[in-house]
Amino acid sequence: AQSVSQHNHHVILSEAASLELGCNYSYGGTVNLFWYVQYPGQHLQLLLKYFSGDPLVKGIKGFEAEFIKSKFSFNLRKPSVQWSDTAEYFCAVNPDSWGKLQFGAGTQVVVTP
Amino acid sequence: DTGVSQDPRHKITKRGQNVTFRCDPISEHNRLYWYRQTLGQGPEFLTYFQNEAQLEKSRLLSDRFSAERPKGSFSTLEIQRTEQGDSAMYLCASSRRLGTSGRGTDTQYFGPGTRLTVL
Repeated sequence: AQSVSQHNHHVILSEAASLELGCNYSYGGTVNLFWYVQYPGQHLQLLLKYFSGDPLVKGIKGFEAEFIKSKFSFNLRKPSVQWSDTAEYFCAVNPDSWGKLQFGAGTQVVVTP
Repeated sequence: DTGVSQDPRHKITKRGQNVTFRCDPISEHNRLYWYRQTLGQGPEFLTYFQNEAQLEKSRLLSDRFSAERPKGSFSTLEIQRTEQGDSAMYLCASSRRLGTSGRGTDTQYFGPGTRLTVL
């Protein structure tokens, strides 16, 4: 079955540490890729997206993600996290010409002071 | 506020009752999506509209669920004869998409959700 996999369900790290969250998908062909974030008590917000072009995309709040087509991956990174990055992070895939998004199960990130 | 809005934000109901949720998309967006999210999971697609046409329904959507978007603006999602398994957060998203076929590059923006609890 076609799917989106996020490798870690929970990540705990200290402020200033680097963050990398893995996302792999199983669709062939062209895909649109997204990372959404849900801060405590807030709704899903778009962090960044990839449609085409440069596989390294930059988003809000210092986040970036790299699309590696050969590995079917779209990993999210931030060099130095802050306490305010505590949130749940979702990877989502929109296969070519589909309307719907397929989401991973999410990764809960807790940043300790 | 020009974001996606949903009403109500919370709904508690008894098993067997019918409930209806409303979603108002961003004004210039022609696509509207419904998702369901349960604890510890990512959102799952339910259905979506382009203007007033319902283009796809998930196989997860039982016949107790129905969605409408009669004038291509707001949408309603109705659940009939609710069951405890329907307890979840129901999310609405909207996007602006040109055409119905071919590669799309629209971005979905999400509302705050309606949390349904079925007792």
